[in-house]
Amino acid sequence: GAVVSQHPSRVICKSGTSVKIECRSLDFQATTMFWYRQFPKQSLMLMATSNEGSKATYEQGVEKDKFLINHASLTLSTLTVTSAHPEDSSFYICSAKSIRGLGGYTFGSGTRLTVV
Amino acid sequence: GESVGLHLPTLSVQEGDNSIINCAYSNSASDYFIWYKQESGKGPQFIIDIRSNMDKRQGQRVTVLLNKTVKHLSLQIAATQPGDSAVYFCAENMNNFNKFYFGSGTKLNVKP
Repeated sequence: GAVVSQHPSRVICKSGTSVKIECRSLDFQATTMFWYRQFPKQSLMLMATSNEGSKATYEQGVEKDKFLINHASLTLSTLTVTSAHPEDSSFYICSAKSIRGLGGYTFGSGTRLTVV
Repeated sequence: GESVGLHLPTLSVQEGDNSIINCAYSNSASDYFIWYKQESGKGPQFIIDIRSNMDKRQGQRVTVLLNKTVKHLSLQIAATQPGDSAVYFCAENMNNFNKFYFGSGTKLNVKP
């Protein structure tokens, strides 16, 4: 099947620093990946669509300069949370579009970000 | 559009009973729907999907019903087991827009 790996699974950073989260498709090429954010006891909120070789498309209300997305290869998309603040603490999840994934999309296992 | 959940309603059922989880989706143009299961600290796991040209689809122990008139989805789980305890989300997709929006979710608690 289609496997998406997310790294790191947990990260703690100091307020004001930047954190990079990686999303890799392990056994398929993904021209399109998606980044979600999930606060405790809430739903997944789509942040942006990451397109290989072009700029990401952000959802309304998501700050492009704060959440930098780079999809430089067909197997890797990265999300960088810049100048992180405690309110950025959340569970970040990526998914990749794949015809081999159930429903056409495969999700990563998520990254728990805690900003202190 | 995007449905945002501010809290998670909880459904508690006894092991062996049937469960019905409901979801209201937001966009009448959505043409593809997926139910996902999410365990604590993990990513969503595909359960079953349905396209808008259908009103019912069955899988192993699960059935999804779609009512486009009222923009409503339901997930029925037969003979619920403790391993079914998780949060369940419906997700809607408009094919032209190539992305999914998630509903607010329901926490299923299965009592042994």
